[in-house]
Amino acid sequence: AQTVTQSQPEMSVQEAETVTLSCTYDTSESNYYLFWYKQPPSRQMILVIRQEAYKQQNATENRFSVNFQKAAKSFSLKISDSQLGDTAMYFCAFMKSNNNDMRFGAGTRLTVKP
Amino acid sequence: DSGVTQTPKHLITATGQRVTLRCSPRSGDLSVYWYQQSLDQGLQFLIQYYNGEERAKGNILERFSAQQFPDLHSELNLSSLELGDSALYFCASSPPRGNGEQYFGPGTRLTVT
Repeated sequence: AQTVTQSQPEMSVQEAETVTLSCTYDTSESNYYLFWYKQPPSRQMILVIRQEAYKQQNATENRFSVNFQKAAKSFSLKISDSQLGDTAMYFCAFMKSNNNDMRFGAGTRLTVKP
Repeated sequence: DSGVTQTPKHLITATGQRVTLRCSPRSGDLSVYWYQQSLDQGLQFLIQYYNGEERAKGNILERFSAQQFPDLHSELNLSSLELGDSALYFCASSPPRGNGEQYFGPGTRLTVT
């Protein structure tokens, strides 16, 4: 079974600074997808960034980028120039490419301080 | 706004009752997924439908059932409700030729008293 571990229950960062959220996963699959979702206080789940396991290049979406280390089964999220609106729960998720059963980590609560 | 709609936003009911949650996927999306988010269990995948047919099953209780209709909207039926069923229920949809991404609705908050 696939498991996703987020070892940082809570983190904080000063506005305009950079923060990295950690995620590791366990799988024997070679083809899969990894995601970061953001859940602000509104509770809406928002897709932040996606990575296909077969791609070596790390995904980037504006201020959000990932460090994907396939051999280490690590998928960290870096948020640059943190903004107050980035305050949210962040969930790392894993999904096999041939199965749509998405597995989520327990989440990291990020607070951006002014 | 993801384009996925869910109704109702909030639902309060008593133990033993039955409720139906409704979801409409984004235009063009054929797959619908249901998730449960509770404080003790986190986010859990329940079930997926693709173009009207069940495609994958997760940690869905036997008291729960779902279906997807010809117009692609989906309903999640929860029966014999227990206090522990109180949670946020999300629906998500994905495009037919996407790369795994799922787009979530705003959720239905169910409170069982």
